[in-house]
Amino acid sequence: DGGITQSPKYLFRKEGQNVTLSCEQNLNHDAMYWYRQDPGQGLRLIYYSQIVNDFQKGDIAEGYSVSREKKESFPLTVTSAQKNPTAFYLCASSISSREKLFFGSGTQLSVL
Amino acid sequence: AQSVSQHNHHVILSEAASLELGCNYSYGGTVNLFWYVQYPGQHLQLLLKYFSGDPLVKGIKGFEAEFIKSKFSFNLRKPSVQWSDTAEYFCAVNVYNAGNMLTFGGGTRLMVKP
Repeated sequence: DGGITQSPKYLFRKEGQNVTLSCEQNLNHDAMYWYRQDPGQGLRLIYYSQIVNDFQKGDIAEGYSVSREKKESFPLTVTSAQKNPTAFYLCASSISSREKLFFGSGTQLSVL
Repeated sequence: AQSVSQHNHHVILSEAASLELGCNYSYGGTVNLFWYVQYPGQHLQLLLKYFSGDPLVKGIKGFEAEFIKSKFSFNLRKPSVQWSDTAEYFCAVNVYNAGNMLTFGGGTRLMVKP
């Protein structure tokens, strides 16, 4: 089945630790996105990539980093600089800039 | 920067009641408008979208939304809700031709009582 796979489903981070969230898609989509979802605040864009080896900051990129070495993969690293990392993280992809987003099932990150 | 407001955070309705969820955005230029839905335990998925043309847009499962440019609104409606419509609904906006960098509203949790 085609789709977007996010792993792990739950992740715990210790103080000062970097953690990486995985996002893989087999839809052959050029564009990929990372959103952060907090209760009552909707989804906020962290980073996006419209093509391999290129990515741009979204609205809340501080404390996060990404890479896009392969078309199907767009991992997100939550660094120790992100002081409030507890949230639900959603990865999405789209075939082009005007087409609908396809979302993964999300990763819940919590701080120990 | 644009912003999107969904004024109703929680809505509880009985089956067969009519639904209207409000969505207002702040950007003054040409926009693309979307409603996404997240059913319990499922991925976010597109309900309907407006790019241009008829401001009354019909989506899946009997939903529709009306774009009123003068009011900066894109309210979602359904004449008669079902228990299976219980979900969280998100309005989203992006600037025309600015890629798919959506700005989402805070979401509305709808619970339909059988």
